[in-house]
Amino acid sequence: GEDVEQSLFLSVREGDSSVINCTYTDSSSTYLYWYKQEPGAGLQLLTYIFSNMDMKQDQRLTVLLNKKDKHLSLRIADTQTGDSAIYFCAALNRGGATNKLIFGTGTLLAVQP
Amino acid sequence: DTEVTQTPKHLVMGMTNKKSLKCEQHMGHRAMYWYKQKAKKPPELMFVYSYEKLSINESVPSRFSPECPNSSLLNLHLHALQPEDSALYLCASSQLEGAHEQFFGPGTRLTVL
Repeated sequence: GEDVEQSLFLSVREGDSSVINCTYTDSSSTYLYWYKQEPGAGLQLLTYIFSNMDMKQDQRLTVLLNKKDKHLSLRIADTQTGDSAIYFCAALNRGGATNKLIFGTGTLLAVQP
Repeated sequence: DTEVTQTPKHLVMGMTNKKSLKCEQHMGHRAMYWYKQKAKKPPELMFVYSYEKLSINESVPSRFSPECPNSSLLNLHLHALQPEDSALYLCASSQLEGAHEQFFGPGTRLTVL
């Protein structure tokens, strides 16, 4: 089955760019997502990319997809303290008759003022 | 209305209690999901309902009993839980099962004593 991996922790200074990385194993994953989870809260869908795209930009967020290496990244420009959260990468896994979201382990982003 | 709401926000229960978690959405979505999330871990899929019928049960113990009384409501009935069932329970919905955008509620923080 699909396996999605992320680094556990990233610390950046306010105003810098953050880059959160993710690798996945199933090349048939059609959509890849980035979710944000603040402490004690649910998951907020930040952005997603379809597997036939290389890049998607949405305001401060840039998603890069390298299908050959099965590598996904999320770049946050001008990182703010409000961006401190856990970021989950997820892949839509179409296995048999069902489609499931497979989540990565999550990356804790700490933004220092 | 683009929200998934969950009640209660917090729940403390003993191992002999019976309680229910409630989830509601008014986006006209026909697929609804229950996830369990332990601290510092990604969400794990428990159940999927599609058009008010149970579509996926990820081998969840019978002490968790889902119910979908109508297209807007999803319940999770809890009975004879164990302390290791303490977690954040997240509800999500999507337009259809397997549709690529899932919207998450804020979750219910459950503590089993």
